Amino acid sequence: GAGVSQSPSNKVTEKGKDVELRCDPISGHTALYWYRQSLGQGLEFLIYFQGNSAPDKSGLPSDRFSAERTGGSVSTLTIQRTQQEDSAVYLCASSPQLPNNEQFFGPGTRLTVL
Amino acid sequence: GQNIDQPTEMTATEGAIVQINCTYQTSGFNGLFWYQQHAGEAPTFLSYNVLDGLEEKGRFSSFLSRSKGYSYLLLKELQMKDSASYLCAVRDTAVNSNSGYALNFGKGTSLLVTP
Repeated sequence: GAGVSQSPSNKVTEKGKDVELRCDPISGHTALYWYRQSLGQGLEFLIYFQGNSAPDKSGLPSDRFSAERTGGSVSTLTIQRTQQEDSAVYLCASSPQLPNNEQFFGPGTRLTVL
Repeated sequence: GQNIDQPTEMTATEGAIVQINCTYQTSGFNGLFWYQQHAGEAPTFLSYNVLDGLEEKGRFSSFLSRSKGYSYLLLKELQMKDSASYLCAVRDTAVNSNSGYALNFGKGTSLLVTP
């Protein structure tokens, strides 16, 4: 079956513009995670969804970041008024509802803010 | 807070054995994971340890000592395709917490396998 997909694969934008990143998790996976991977840094956890609900948004770097998930499936991560420090690879992962030890990652979206 | 340390880079020869170490200091512990990530690709799951000891899976093995906050990933019979970044990650939250099963990652170890 299909794995986690993300779009776009690459996004170049100008400082101050808004961007929207999309994640399609594996069908049936109720848990969805967003991470950010900056150059020279480890993956940084941003937000978690169980179904359509995100219990805690404190991991988002600033109030310019928001995320939503609809229909228990597709999720979008929106960054408003992008800054150069937002440049990174944004990775999405999903896992089944039952306790599961593996998160399945998508290929990521490489965001470059000029 | 979280502190997960692993070497930045390692080089090893094809056919050899390499051990990648990871030390962690976390507020809680609920499992340690190793992922492999080739450049430009998604991380892929390699192993999971929650109890002390060695878990073996083919050419790859992972060891955990909870009392020492220490793990290693052992790669045997190295192949050129093993050149990748190896990510150590700790899960320190319980089920149904606000972070779900979110993982805390180290910065990764870039392994280069040479002929």
